[in-house]
Amino acid sequence: RKEVEQDPGPFNVPEGATVAFNCTYSNSASQSFFWYRQDCRKEPKLLMSVYSSGNEDGRFTAQLNRASQYISLLIRDSKLSDSATYLCVVNDSSYKLIFGSGTRLLVRP
Amino acid sequence: DGGITQSPKYLFRKEGQNVTLSCEQNLNHDAMYWYRQDPGQGLRLIYYSQIVNDFQKGDIAEGYSVSREKKESFPLTVTSAQKNPTAFYLCASRPDPGPGNTIYFGEGSWLTVV
Repeated sequence: RKEVEQDPGPFNVPEGATVAFNCTYSNSASQSFFWYRQDCRKEPKLLMSVYSSGNEDGRFTAQLNRASQYISLLIRDSKLSDSATYLCVVNDSSYKLIFGSGTRLLVRP
Repeated sequence: DGGITQSPKYLFRKEGQNVTLSCEQNLNHDAMYWYRQDPGQGLRLIYYSQIVNDFQKGDIAEGYSVSREKKESFPLTVTSAQKNPTAFYLCASRPDPGPGNTIYFGEGSWLTVV
C-alpha cells in the first residue's frame, strides 16, 4: 500500500461545478497535512494547510479525518483557472514529506 | 525578492557525463531538499539536508550526490551511474524540518539525456 494515495483522475467538470478530492495516508502518526497545486510543467505551490478542525480559504475547503486517515479538498464554483494537478502532502516525521501522485482536474467552459 | 533559484532550467546531458544542478535560496531556511518527478508521477526524494555540512539520502539517492557547504546552497550532481536521469528536478526548502512547516519549491530543472 502506498503511504499516500490519491485518485489520479482526471476529474472533468464544467465551470461552476463543485468537485471533491480525497487522499488517504497509511501512517497514523502523521503530523501535518497540506494540499499543493501543480500546473503543467511547473513547480508545486502551496494551496492550503489542513487542520483537524477543517479550514476554508475562499472557494476551497480542506478537511482532515484522523480516525479514517484521510484528507479532502472541496472546490466550489470551479473556474477554468482551477485546472491543475492537486497534490496531497503528508508530513510523516520531522523531516520527511510524503507526496501523493496527484489528482488532475480539468474544468471545461 | 526572496526565493529559491534553480539553474539551469533546461539541461541536456550526453550519456556518461556528470552534470550539476544548482539550487540557491535566500530565505534563511535550514532544511533543503531535492526531488525528482517523472511524467505523471509524484515527487520522489533524492537527498535532503537539515543543516549545513550535513545531508541524508532519500528514497532514490543512487546515482546522485550533493553537498551543503553553505546554508544558501544545495547543488545536486547527477552522475553517470544514474541510468535513467531524464526527469524534472525540484529543489525545495523550509525553515526547519519540524512538522507543520510548509515547503517551498524552486521553478525546477528539466534534464534530458541525449
